Amino acid sequence: QKEVEQDPGPLSVPEGAIVSLNCTYSNSAFQYFMWYRQYSRKGPELLMYTYSSGNKEDGRFTAQVDKSSKYISLFIRDSQPSDSATYLCAMTRLNTGNQFYFGTGTSLTVIP
Amino acid sequence: DTEVTQTPKHLVMGMTNKKSLKCEQHMGHRAMYWYKQKAKKPPELMFVYSYEKLSINESVPSRFSPECPNSSLLNLHLHALQPEDSALYLCASSPLSSGLTDGNRGNTIYFGEGSWLTVV
Repeated sequence: QKEVEQDPGPLSVPEGAIVSLNCTYSNSAFQYFMWYRQYSRKGPELLMYTYSSGNKEDGRFTAQVDKSSKYISLFIRDSQPSDSATYLCAMTRLNTGNQFYFGTGTSLTVIP
Repeated sequence: DTEVTQTPKHLVMGMTNKKSLKCEQHMGHRAMYWYKQKAKKPPELMFVYSYEKLSINESVPSRFSPECPNSSLLNLHLHALQPEDSALYLCASSPLSSGLTDGNRGNTIYFGEGSWLTVV
């Protein structure tokens, strides 16, 4: 079983829709959770960072962590064509020797 | 804009060439990474340097040789590569902090824009 599972999509939504992206994980020791946005032929850009369980909001983006279900989500409100990208979840725990575990990425297209 | 700078952005090299990828960060991070990423795949860890010492080598072939001259710089030396080594090579950095608070980003990793490598 992979440490982190993420539906690769592709996901296609109309402009203005609410987008929900999700990852599940198997290691209950993970405590730090990240979402990255990656445009084609570019490096991943950190969008959201969350420690432990709970919600975090930044503009149109909300990250949720449910440690009891080992499930994390990224919500994008009022989606824009510029949100079209691949979204990667990542996570880590203390004392990992700096190991980060990535999902496979979900490809999102927002149609004008 | 990312604070991890990679050069060159694009590189085409023959199988007998020797070239280097360069990375620089000025965020004071003490961990630096090389990842390889193929199309529609997540980044795949190659090497990690912690405090300028190689701490993780994920069984990468010897035709890839990392070097960390100081805490801000990271190089990846390439020699006798194969066409299947064509990929996006990502440099990344991370603070080496183990704090447990939400405000502490010690357990976050920041990527550069990447170097697109084509081996012909």
